Amino acid sequence: GAVVSQHPSWVICKSGTSVKIECRSLDFQATTMFWYRQFPKQSLMLMATSNEGSKATYEQGVEKDKFLINHASLTLSTLTVTSAHPEDSSFYICSASGGRDEQFFGPGTRLTVL
Amino acid sequence: GESVGLHLPTLSVQEGDNSIINCAYSNSASDYFIWYKQESGKGPQFIIDIRSNMDKRQGQRVTVLLNKTVKHLSLQIAATQPGDSAVYFCADNLGTSYGKLTFGQGTILTVHP
Repeated sequence: GAVVSQHPSWVICKSGTSVKIECRSLDFQATTMFWYRQFPKQSLMLMATSNEGSKATYEQGVEKDKFLINHASLTLSTLTVTSAHPEDSSFYICSASGGRDEQFFGPGTRLTVL
Repeated sequence: GESVGLHLPTLSVQEGDNSIINCAYSNSASDYFIWYKQESGKGPQFIIDIRSNMDKRQGQRVTVLLNKTVKHLSLQIAATQPGDSAVYFCADNLGTSYGKLTFGQGTILTVHP
């Protein structure tokens, strides 16, 4: 099946700094990528949908200026958590779609903000 | 799916038993449904999907049943194995065509040897 990677797999940062997470589709072109956040023992919550070459669409309640998404190519999307705070600590997961219903998920990135 | 809170339902079974995990969805426009397995610290892994023009679909050791009348989805795992222990999520597409999914709250499956 299609492979999606994320980098880094985990990151620890100080409060107030910014962190960039990369999501790559390794063997297919992803017209759409999705970013999710998952807190412990909770479900995945969609943060935003990004299409290559256009602005991301954010879900209600997600601050677009805090969670910057760039989808510059058909194989790469990045999520930057700006001015991170401890409450931003979470498991961030991306998924990629080649245009059909099925999404292929990355392995996730564990963010810890001290 | 309906994501409704902080406490995930749990299901404990003995190795070899059959497991049934249930899910309710709320949007009658949803026409594509997927079950995912998520192991600790990993991303969701696709198990099986079903479209709204079907009410049953079988895979290897897994069966998904869809009841559109009551907006209910179930995942049956035959001969459950310890390696099946994980959190299982249902997801549906809200009737959209561009891949957006909403996830249910998840069920923790624990298989005892």
